[in-house]
Amino acid sequence: DTAVSQTPKYLVTQMGNDKSIKCEQNLGHDTMYWYKQDSKKFLKIMFSYNNKELIINETVPNRFSPKSPDKAHLNLHINSLELGDSAVYFCASSQVGLAGFTDTQYFGPGTRLTVL
Amino acid sequence: AQSVAQPEDQVNVAEGNPLTVKCTYSVSGNPYLFWYVQYPNRGLQFLLKYITGDNLVKGSYGFEAEFNKSQTSFHLKKPSALVSDSALYFCAVRGADRGSTLGRLYFGRGTQLTVWP
Repeated sequence: DTAVSQTPKYLVTQMGNDKSIKCEQNLGHDTMYWYKQDSKKFLKIMFSYNNKELIINETVPNRFSPKSPDKAHLNLHINSLELGDSAVYFCASSQVGLAGFTDTQYFGPGTRLTVL
Repeated sequence: AQSVAQPEDQVNVAEGNPLTVKCTYSVSGNPYLFWYVQYPNRGLQFLLKYITGDNLVKGSYGFEAEFNKSQTSFHLKKPSALVSDSALYFCAVRGADRGSTLGRLYFGRGTQLTVWP
């Protein structure tokens, strides 16, 4: 069984469109993340949710809006897509342990977004 | 500020030879250190981590890493490389103190490992 899954795997769209990427984890974790990997493979965190509460919100354009309907899901909605949004987006999850420290993050397979 | 440096963009080794992928870190307080591997068109897979205890950590696929506090390093090693080890390797760190925003990881820029037959 897939631990962290993302849909779709590939997303090709025109500039200006709105799109969503979905993420689901079946590990029972309470914290989920979105990362962006650029063309040089650099990984940058975008958002993190703990128990459906936003706890990390990096310097990301407000065209990007995460939504966590429950602890097992963290979706990413992107408005007015731009060429520079082309990247691979990874979802990850982990479990917050004692004193607010989190355990290992487990990553999904990624969504390759191409904006034309 | 917390950060990770992977000084080599590329490491090339012959199959059967030992391999080392270097990582140094900067963090306030004690570090939690991780290695991940990314195969082409795949997500990141967890390899191993150091939290506390023995400085030599063993992980998946025969990899190990050595934590060196004085040198602030956490180099990834394998005694005998395989062609199938060819992939992109990421080192990551987070602080163990309460200032670490619920497990935020800081990643290095990655090291492409190529093992040739």
